[in-house]
Amino acid sequence: DAMVIQNPRYQVTQFGKPVTLSCSQTLNHNVMYWYQQKSSQAPKLLFHYYDKDFNNEADTPDNFQSRRPNTSFCFLDIRSPGLGDAAMYLCATSREREGPNEQFFGPGTRLTVL
Amino acid sequence: GQNIDQPTEMTATEGAIVQINCTYQTSGFNGLFWYQQHAGEAPTFLSYNVLDGLEEKGRFSSFLSRSKGYSYLLLKELQMKDSASYLCAVMDSNYQLIWGAGTKLIIKP
Repeated sequence: DAMVIQNPRYQVTQFGKPVTLSCSQTLNHNVMYWYQQKSSQAPKLLFHYYDKDFNNEADTPDNFQSRRPNTSFCFLDIRSPGLGDAAMYLCATSREREGPNEQFFGPGTRLTVL
Repeated sequence: GQNIDQPTEMTATEGAIVQINCTYQTSGFNGLFWYQQHAGEAPTFLSYNVLDGLEEKGRFSSFLSRSKGYSYLLLKELQMKDSASYLCAVMDSNYQLIWGAGTKLIIKP
């Protein structure tokens, strides 16, 4: 089945220790998104890629970086995690940005910062 | 600013009908989405409305009024598995999704 896969599902890191979250997709979608979601809050868009074109949200901290080496894979790097970065990180894809192209989400990676 | 408003929490009875409202103020409009999110899981797509009116899909229907900046999600014949959060999201003029915080729906037997 075509899908969005995120690894790991649960990640524990220490304050200030870099961590990388990964996402892969078998849908061959052009657009990939990274969201941060905290409990009972709306998903917050961090970045998105339209093909190789990187789009950073204005309020995404510099501590967050992203890479998309090819169509299938996208990575979220958190250079120096703080306690406030503990959250669920959701990767999503869509065929195109506009129109009735719904976003397909991976299962998420729950990040704990000790 | 851009804003999506939904009730924080609603309670309904198994077998009943519930309507979850969403009002929005956004920079442009390119469609409205409803997603379902079970606790600890990722959102899954339910519906998309871009024209005024009602879209029906099985037990779930979604309504849109663009002039009023208003949508609702109607869930019929409620089942226990419908207990989840329901997120309203609007695509703005830049094709960005503006998300509501979600409505937590609690189903009681």
